[in-house]
Amino acid sequence: QVQLVESGGGVVQPGRSLRLSCAASGFTFSTYGMHWVRQAPGKGLEWVAIIWYDGSNKNYVDSVKGRFTISRDNSKNTVYLQVNSLRDEDTAVYYCARGGDYMDVWGKGTTVTVSS
Amino acid sequence: QSALTQPPSASGSPGQSVTISCTGTSSDVGGYNYVSWYQQHPGKAPKVMIYEVNKRPSGVPDRFSGSKSGNTASLTVSGLQAEDEADYYCSSYTGSNNFVVFGGGTKLTVL
Repeated sequence: QVQLVESGGGVVQPGRSLRLSCAASGFTFSTYGMHWVRQAPGKGLEWVAIIWYDGSNKNYVDSVKGRFTISRDNSKNTVYLQVNSLRDEDTAVYYCARGGDYMDVWGKGTTVTVSS
Repeated sequence: QSALTQPPSASGSPGQSVTISCTGTSSDVGGYNYVSWYQQHPGKAPKVMIYEVNKRPSGVPDRFSGSKSGNTASLTVSGLQAEDEADYYCSSYTGSNNFVVFGGGTKLTVL
């Protein structure tokens, strides 16, 4: 069945880095755009980034520009989010989701906790 | 890009209808027919309920409907059921580098 599985989260000190991964299965990954969306504890959803189906275009929310990088490997059916220079406010559950103007398939999320 | 504005809470009794609003600007909600709505139960991933203002994905009950007027979109849940109790988020395409913006969320309580 169609599935997205995130991994790579953890507890990390401020200023450090992580690479989040999202493995896709059950659909033709290379024909879909992919998003990262995050949710801080007890807060709402925040869109983070999108990458076009072929990786040709990427967009980011202002608060992560220059620190986060979205990428994909269509041969591995995987999308990544490199998160650098982490701040306390980056603590959240990070979801990957399939789609363009809307997100029709979501993973269960991976938790990133930034703490000294 | 500011978040879209939703009421923090809404409620209704079983069988009733409730409408949740989502207000943006002419740069997002008002400028495009790309408004979507997501349902999120505690501890779970979001699920799309409405996309492109008023389209329902396969498997979503027809009790859920969407509309838009100007810069405000709305989600209506008719015939409320206990399982509809959840958080609901609207989102809109923005046509800018901040590709998508979400609303702050509305907690729907079924009394």
